[in-house]
Amino acid sequence: EVQLLESGGGLVQPGGSLRLSCAASGFSFSNYAMSWVRQAPGKGLEWVSVISDSGSSTYNADSVKGRFTISRDNSENMLYLQMSSLRAEDTAIYYCAKDGSGSYSHLDYWGQGTLLTVSS
Amino acid sequence: QVVLTQSPSASASLGASVKLTCTLSSRHNNYAIAWHQQQPEKGPRYLMKVNSGGDHIKGDGIPDRFSGSSSGAERYLTISSLQSEDEADYYCQTWGTGIQVFGGGTKLTVL
Repeated sequence: EVQLLESGGGLVQPGGSLRLSCAASGFSFSNYAMSWVRQAPGKGLEWVSVISDSGSSTYNADSVKGRFTISRDNSENMLYLQMSSLRAEDTAIYYCAKDGSGSYSHLDYWGQGTLLTVSS
Repeated sequence: QVVLTQSPSASASLGASVKLTCTLSSRHNNYAIAWHQQQPEKGPRYLMKVNSGGDHIKGDGIPDRFSGSSSGAERYLTISSLQSEDEADYYCQTWGTGIQVFGGGTKLTVL
């Protein structure tokens, strides 16, 4: 059974930093690209970042470019999102999601999410 | 860049059928999309992938009541025999190299 378990969310002041983690199990983690997707309160889904299966390629949405870094540890089946220069508009539930194939494709499994609140 | 357009809301009666639409931007009308369901206070759940030919591949455990189809730039999600637990937000999603794109979502109300 595929499981994705996010952690690391919390309350951070504007300008602060935080790292989110996602523990993956139930599939060959190193064979799939992985994404972070967020959802601001009462809003729709917004893609944030994606990383290739090997970790050699990463891409970010314009809204987080230069501030967020996605990474992975295939030996530990872990996905990360390092966030810095946080803004109030980054407040959201952050989901990690598994790609449906080895290359960039649809998302076929989601975690339950972790809440980030950016506020003073 | 590809844009996905969804109606903000839809409604249908318990036991009836409903067809939700996701429209691709015209230059991208051959793209496949995926449908995701988000029940209240829960994370999203993958329902199915639908290609331009209308073929669909469902996720694990998705009931037969859910089906997908296509026509031109439109991708459809049909839910038959509506149940109360189908009341949820439904998002379509497409992708490219290094990018994921979501539609704005449709809030389905089961009357």
